[in-house]
Amino acid sequence: EAQVTQNPRYLITVTGKKLTVTCSQNMNHEYMSWYRQDPGLGLRQIYYSMNVEVTDKGDVPEGYKVSRKEKRNFPLILESPSPNQTSLYFCASSILAGVDEQFFGPGTRLTVL
Amino acid sequence: AQSVTQLDSQVPVFEEAPVELRCNYSSSVSVYLFWYVQYPNQGLQLLLKYLSGSTLVKGINGFEAEFNKSQTSFHLRKPSVHISDTAEYFCAVSEKAAGNKLTFGGGTRVLVKP
Repeated sequence: EAQVTQNPRYLITVTGKKLTVTCSQNMNHEYMSWYRQDPGLGLRQIYYSMNVEVTDKGDVPEGYKVSRKEKRNFPLILESPSPNQTSLYFCASSILAGVDEQFFGPGTRLTVL
Repeated sequence: AQSVTQLDSQVPVFEEAPVELRCNYSSSVSVYLFWYVQYPNQGLQLLLKYLSGSTLVKGINGFEAEFNKSQTSFHLRKPSVHISDTAEYFCAVSEKAAGNKLTFGGGTRVLVKP
């Protein structure tokens, strides 16, 4: 089954404790992206990757890091989480950016205390 | 920079009634337009998209949308909604000049009442 998986689905942590949210897709997509969803703001792009070893900042990259060492994986790293990073996070992938359908993971709900 | 405005944050509607969700965007260049749906506790799924050609686009689950270039709008419609259409709907735009970056609107929450 073609899908995007994210782990964990739910996470409660404390300020400053490093964490990683994993994302993996099995569709051989070139393009992958991370979004955060906040009420009334829709989805805002954090980082994206056009291909292996090619990543770039989206609209709200502060406080986040990513890497793309393999085509299928695109982890999101919060080196020192803060309460304003409490949000719902989605990973997505597509064949090409902005033209093809983006396939979304189920989401990771993060709470930073 | 492109922006997307969804004029209604919430739309209550009775079952079997029609619904229209409004979306306006700001861009002076060629755009691609999308509507995504998010059911409770799930990720987003594509409803329909406009890339070129006919301005009336049909999608899944009986939804359709019309691209109006002069009004920079891409409103979503369904003639008769079901309880199962209760969800949040997102309009999204990408433009070639911005490297096909996808920008989402704030979302419209549709609540279908029996």
